[in-house]
Order: sequence, then C-alpha cells, then structure tokens
Amino acid sequence: EAGVAQSPRYKIIEKRQSVAFWCNPISGHATLYWYQQILGQGPKLLIQFQNNGVVDDSQLPKDRFSAERLKGVDSTLKIQPAKLEDSAVYLCASSLTGETEAFFGQGTRLTVV
Amino acid sequence: AQSVSQHNHHVILSEAASLELGCNYSYGGTVNLFWYVQYPGQHLQLLLKYFSGDPLVKGIKGFEAEFIKSKFSFNLRKPSVQWSDTAEYFCAVRPGGSYIPTFGRGTSLIVHP
Repeated sequence: EAGVAQSPRYKIIEKRQSVAFWCNPISGHATLYWYQQILGQGPKLLIQFQNNGVVDDSQLPKDRFSAERLKGVDSTLKIQPAKLEDSAVYLCASSLTGETEAFFGQGTRLTVV
Repeated sequence: AQSVSQHNHHVILSEAASLELGCNYSYGGTVNLFWYVQYPGQHLQLLLKYFSGDPLVKGIKGFEAEFIKSKFSFNLRKPSVQWSDTAEYFCAVRPGGSYIPTFGRGTSLIVHP
C-alpha cells in the first residue's frame, strides 16, 4: 500500500515570499490533515478535511495560510506571505475516516530566512 | 481545551533497560489514545492505539501501553529496549465524538548500545 506522499521535502524561502505544499493521501482515505510541527514540539493540527469539506480549521492562521482539497483527494497548503516563525515541518496525514488512526507523510521542512 | 502532557522530554537508556514514558491528558470524557513513533529521518508511525476494551494495549515491536482512566494516563512501556528504539515518541489523544487529535510535545529516547 502506497503511503502519504508529500512534496517538496525541503523548501527555503525568504520572509514575505509565498510557498505551497502538496499532499497526496492514501487511496480511499476520506480524511486528510495538515499539521505544523515546530522544532521541539508535537504536531499541531492546522486543518482537517473530510472529503473536500473542512471539518476543523480553528488553528489555521487564516490571514496567511490557506488550504484546499478541491476534488476530495490531493490537497495543497499555502502560506502567503511567510514569516520567520513559520519555519517548521509541515506534515500531511490521512485516515480512512475521522475515527480511525492517521497515517503520516514524510513532511516538508520549511525554512524561512 | 484538552491538553496532552508528556513529562519526560529526553530519556537516555542502555540496551536491555526497561522503558516507561508518561502521557497524561486533561479531557474528562471518553477518549481515543495513540502512541506514535518517529525514527530518525522517517515519518510518524503508529505504535499502538486504544479505543475501548482491554486497557492494556499491545503494539508493534514489543511496546505496550496501559490506559488508566482514573489517572487520565496512557503510559508507554517496553521491558527491554534496543538501540533501534532510538526515536521520538508522541502521545496523542482524541476525545470521543471528535475528529480532532491533540499531540503531546514528544519524548526523545536515546538508547546506547
């Protein structure tokens, strides 16, 4: 079974630039999550999709972050403009439903300079 | 808001030593509980989970965890660690009826050969 695919693996940008991350979940998984993991901390949920609808985005900084899952499969997370404090690993995860365990991708390590 | 506490941030053991990593949460109702592991350079993987039933849960690679409802705890144990257990361990809690899991900040385990 193929896992959760994320790209790119690494990204370095200057502050105030924009960046986008892509995630392809495990086939058939209805639920998709985006997490932010800052060094030394646990993953923090940014947004959760059920198919192409948003279940929760209460911790997403909506003034600069946006995410979409238009066809209920792939998803993109965008940051515009980036700040230094956005430096983190961005993890995508998927689960069969919102009540089953999540499977994680390798993550995208973002460095904002 | 619910919170998850992992008391040990860094643990260093010798091979064959016993391991116990603490996890406490603040939510008072029904919960689903998870332990994830992240080996160096790899993605988060599920070690074990508790949804209901026997509070002593067996996971992969000889790990187990015990859910003690009265103590709001879900501690992870392994009787004899190996060098290959060196990794970051994360506890996660999801309130029953919610789709939103909350992660602890993680415990870094180093096992010396």
